[in-house]
Amino acid sequence: QKEVEQDPGPLSVPEGAIVSLNCTYSNSAFQYFMWYRQYSRKGPELLMYTYSSGNKEDGRFTAQVDKSSKYISLFIRDSQPSDSATYLCAMSRRGSTLGRLYFGRGTQLTVWP
Amino acid sequence: SAVISQKPSRDICQRGTSLTIQCQVDSQVTMMFWYRQQPGQSLTLIATANQGSEATYESGFVIDKFPISRPNLTFSTLTVSNMSPEDSSIYLCSGAGRGEDTQYFGPGTRLTVL
Repeated sequence: QKEVEQDPGPLSVPEGAIVSLNCTYSNSAFQYFMWYRQYSRKGPELLMYTYSSGNKEDGRFTAQVDKSSKYISLFIRDSQPSDSATYLCAMSRRGSTLGRLYFGRGTQLTVWP
Repeated sequence: SAVISQKPSRDICQRGTSLTIQCQVDSQVTMMFWYRQQPGQSLTLIATANQGSEATYESGFVIDKFPISRPNLTFSTLTVSNMSPEDSSIYLCSGAGRGEDTQYFGPGTRLTVL
């Protein structure tokens, strides 16, 4: 079993839709949870970062962490064509400066006008 | 956040040759890392680049195949040695500053080995 599981999609939604992206994990020691966005032929760009359980909102993006279920989510409201990208979840046992990141495979999202 | 650049952005190489990838950060970072991203796969950590000492390699990666240097806090290189077609991948470097719990990534180097 991989430590981080993420459905690769692809996911295709119309502009304005609410998008839900999810990851599950097996290691209960993970405490730091991140979402990266990766456009085609670009490096991953940090979108959201949360520590432990709870919700975090930033504009149209909301990250949720449920440690009891070992499940994290990223919600995108009012999705735009510019949101079309691959979304990678990542997590670590300690802060990234000390611990390695474990990545999901990424979910490819297309938002069509 | 740090801004990270990589050179070259892409290359096509012959089997048996070596390629050195450069990673430059615009500010001092505590940690630098090298990843490999194969099609349809998650990012896999190759090693942590340590300033002034040998890199720390993950299971499945060895120094003879992926020698890494980090002469200062803003620069690192990864060499892919004695390449085979299986080494065709995107290679990414990342950095994390003091007190930061996240990593910032460069644009990647797309390597094709024929």
